[in-house]
Amino acid sequence: GAGVSQSPRYKVAKRGQDVALRCDPISGHVSLFWYQQALGQGPEFLTYFQNEAQLDKSGLPSDRFFAERPEGSVSTLKIQRTQQEDSAVYLCASSFRGQGLSGEKLFFGSGTQLSVL
Amino acid sequence: GQNIDQPTEMTATEGAIVQINCTYQTSGFNGLFWYQQHAGEAPTFLSYNVLDGLEEKGRFSSFLSRSKGYSYLLLKELQMKDSASYLCAVRPREPMNTGFQKLVFGTGTRLLVSP
Repeated sequence: GAGVSQSPRYKVAKRGQDVALRCDPISGHVSLFWYQQALGQGPEFLTYFQNEAQLDKSGLPSDRFFAERPEGSVSTLKIQRTQQEDSAVYLCASSFRGQGLSGEKLFFGSGTQLSVL
Repeated sequence: GQNIDQPTEMTATEGAIVQINCTYQTSGFNGLFWYQQHAGEAPTFLSYNVLDGLEEKGRFSSFLSRSKGYSYLLLKELQMKDSASYLCAVRPREPMNTGFQKLVFGTGTRLLVSP
């Protein structure tokens, strides 16, 4: 597709339920980022992939959060045993290379709004 | 640590000029970005500054002073469609061996343009 695509657009989960959020980056983009955006806040970095390699997961808030990008394109963010504090918009972004060229911008998807009841 | 400050909310009138300020303290500096985000939508790129000075792009301009850790986004001839959140984001200098450059965002400034 022309842009970064995320699904589902909205997800309601009961506390304790596992969820999986999908991201389709722009074709050919090497770098993929996941961000978490709480209501009224800016995006907070979660994790980064370069192709299939997860190079940084320092932003993942707990071991309940897991991300993968097995073939270097589509990525999935999984949250196990969801808690109310996990409620947020989860944004995926991609860039062509994401390294070297400091001016390279990120292209964002519209996000998945997760509500944990 | 990383700290990026911008006002929470601003209001302006259609046709006016508004300046949104951003101050930052980060571990190294490798560029500053401004993104626009309409409610419920993806952030979209507006501007990029890595050297001091003013970058102009149509109705939008962005300024950077690295010595002061300061940037602003200037919006001219405001239109109703400019009502959105404006996100200031800094790219800190990453360790060389990671080979990537993430963005650190401020909380965003919500701009409301009224008729």
